[in-house]
Amino acid sequence: DAGITQSPRHKVTETGTPVTLRCHQTENHRYMYWYRQDPGHGLRLIHYSYGVKDTDKGEVSDGYSVSRSKTEDFLLTLESATSSQTSVYFCAIRAPDRNTEAFFGQGTRLTVV
Amino acid sequence: KNEVEQSPQNLTAQEGEFITINCSYSVGISALHWLQQHPGGGIVSLFMLSSGKKKHGRLIATINIQEKHSSLHITASHPRDSAVYICAVSTRDDKIIFGKGTRLHILP
Repeated sequence: DAGITQSPRHKVTETGTPVTLRCHQTENHRYMYWYRQDPGHGLRLIHYSYGVKDTDKGEVSDGYSVSRSKTEDFLLTLESATSSQTSVYFCAIRAPDRNTEAFFGQGTRLTVV
Repeated sequence: KNEVEQSPQNLTAQEGEFITINCSYSVGISALHWLQQHPGGGIVSLFMLSSGKKKHGRLIATINIQEKHSSLHITASHPRDSAVYICAVSTRDDKIIFGKGTRLHILP
């Protein structure tokens, strides 16, 4: 299995609180992605990173920010959690070579009450 | 219109049946991925294709680049194959875009 770990795996938080999810990899892959998975929508891209301090927005980035200060860590922050951000969050990693496999974290189930 | 479309959305079949799940895409890609997700579970990569056909055990994946279409086949299906199967593409600008998944249920 690829060395990719998400933490926490489960979290319940209150509306309005900040939350940070961590994706940690030991593969030294440059590309990292954060997705949310919701019924009827599949996985949708929140933010992605092509390297340290190189991040960009995906299709559902509102209410989220990210940081990548080290190759191995990609942090997703909900500045002020809302109930609409209740979801399962997945991190993915990939090497820059075009024909390379993507690897996924186990997911973080976040509930905002 | 979604850039990656899968069909069917749901599929129920009897054990032993031959299963086909289809994926069409409308963007330029560098590779296509087939993934498996069991209920409440993580996402596992089954195949990555950029051309032709790959086989792993009872699973076969094919891709037709000209037609922008891929299929995942399961031969001699088994209840343990019950899962959500997801098609995803690596785009030429290095994003990964997912289909909504096909929920497969194999009855014993």
